[in-house]
Amino acid sequence: GENVEQHPSTLSVQEGDSAVIKCTYSDSASNYFPWYKQELGKRPQLIIDIRSNVGEKKDQRIAVTLNKTAKHFSLHITETQPEDSAVYFCAAKLSNDYKLSFGAGTTVTVRA
Amino acid sequence: DGGITQSPKYLFRKEGQNVTLSCEQNLNHDAMYWYRQDPGQGLRLIYYSQIVNDFQKGDIAEGYSVSREKKESFPLTVTSAQKNPTAFYLCASTILLGNTIYFGEGSWLTVV
Repeated sequence: GENVEQHPSTLSVQEGDSAVIKCTYSDSASNYFPWYKQELGKRPQLIIDIRSNVGEKKDQRIAVTLNKTAKHFSLHITETQPEDSAVYFCAAKLSNDYKLSFGAGTTVTVRA
Repeated sequence: DGGITQSPKYLFRKEGQNVTLSCEQNLNHDAMYWYRQDPGQGLRLIYYSQIVNDFQKGDIAEGYSVSREKKESFPLTVTSAQKNPTAFYLCASTILLGNTIYFGEGSWLTVV
């Protein structure tokens, strides 16, 4: 099955700075890569996703990049705000599978 | 996300008891999932179902059972064979062959 590794496990940034989280995946057949944000005690919420036919996708202050050759993808958050503090999970899905494999998560803390 | 309802939100189980967590969705999604999340950890797949009357084991199925008698319902039973069941349980669903997976609000299970 797919194996997803996520780094760093914790990330502390000053408000207004950028945050970058990186994930690698093992199976080159994976074609869908979502990112979820989870606040304490709440359900994960999809914030952005990218498919393997696209190299980059942006949505306001959030962007995701995908390098299929190296099998890694990254989440970029610019101009961080206190409400960006949460746990972020990356995930990957094989094209012929219904299962979503998650990374271990990154706890992001934005310092005021 | 609002179309996936989990109940109860909090549940306490005595040693040796079976308990059942309910998951209902009104999104007309074909595939449904159960994930387990331990404090500070990622999401691990317990079971998933692509169609009615069919389901597959995930990565940590031991000590759990499921049924899928109706498209909108996918209950999870935590049996007494699950030795360490205290965790946050998340139900999810997606359109068949679709990619975006949506989560319910989760159920907290504690063994007392």
